Amino acid sequence: DQQVKQNSPSLSVQEGRISILNCDYTNSMFDYFLWYKKYPAEGPTFLISISSIKDKNEDGRFTVFLNKSAKHLSLHIVPSQPGDSAVYFCAARANTGNQFYFGTGTSLTVIP
Amino acid sequence: SAVISQKPSRDICQRGTSLTIQCQVDSQVTMMFWYRQQPGQSLTLIATANQGSEATYESGFVIDKFPISRPNLTFSTLTVSNMSPEDSSIYLCSANRGGHTDTQYFGPGTRLTVL
Repeated sequence: DQQVKQNSPSLSVQEGRISILNCDYTNSMFDYFLWYKKYPAEGPTFLISISSIKDKNEDGRFTVFLNKSAKHLSLHIVPSQPGDSAVYFCAARANTGNQFYFGTGTSLTVIP
Repeated sequence: SAVISQKPSRDICQRGTSLTIQCQVDSQVTMMFWYRQQPGQSLTLIATANQGSEATYESGFVIDKFPISRPNLTFSTLTVSNMSPEDSSIYLCSANRGGHTDTQYFGPGTRLTVL
């Protein structure tokens, strides 16, 4: 039972444009969310996080939005660069435990 | 942050054999975890490696198949026992310092192929 879902397995965006990666979750107990970037043959690298007390967190070109009522979060990358091409995972954790639940990932390709 | 290294980075093994993967963190951490990522799948938690006691396994994973050690706060091993081709996967070590909003860091992974 997949508690965190990334329904788009892939996304292609032109360099300089905005990339929007989406993530949905089902567990209302989730209150902390992370986005990771993963290059081939490497482990996931932490990108940005958001706590449920916020609806937006920004770090440079990366912004994460959280809509708790819709159980939806998104990662915006502006402007997109070819080096952003990677697989992006969202992850969520409940306030009752240590385990992170991961989505299946979205492969982003930024076209020069 | 925490820097995590894993050995080996990849291996090709024969059916029925076992492989032990090592994970080293550059600083003391409270929590260490082992994940598996099968082709085209998400990251699945195998177990939490507990320092000084038996690991806590997730549903579908058992100690006989995936014995785990954690002798101190910076090191853990995962053994994949009696391997079959279905065990071919990327195995990832992960760690955090235990705070609820602490970032979870990952090692580079071990790519295992079982023939």
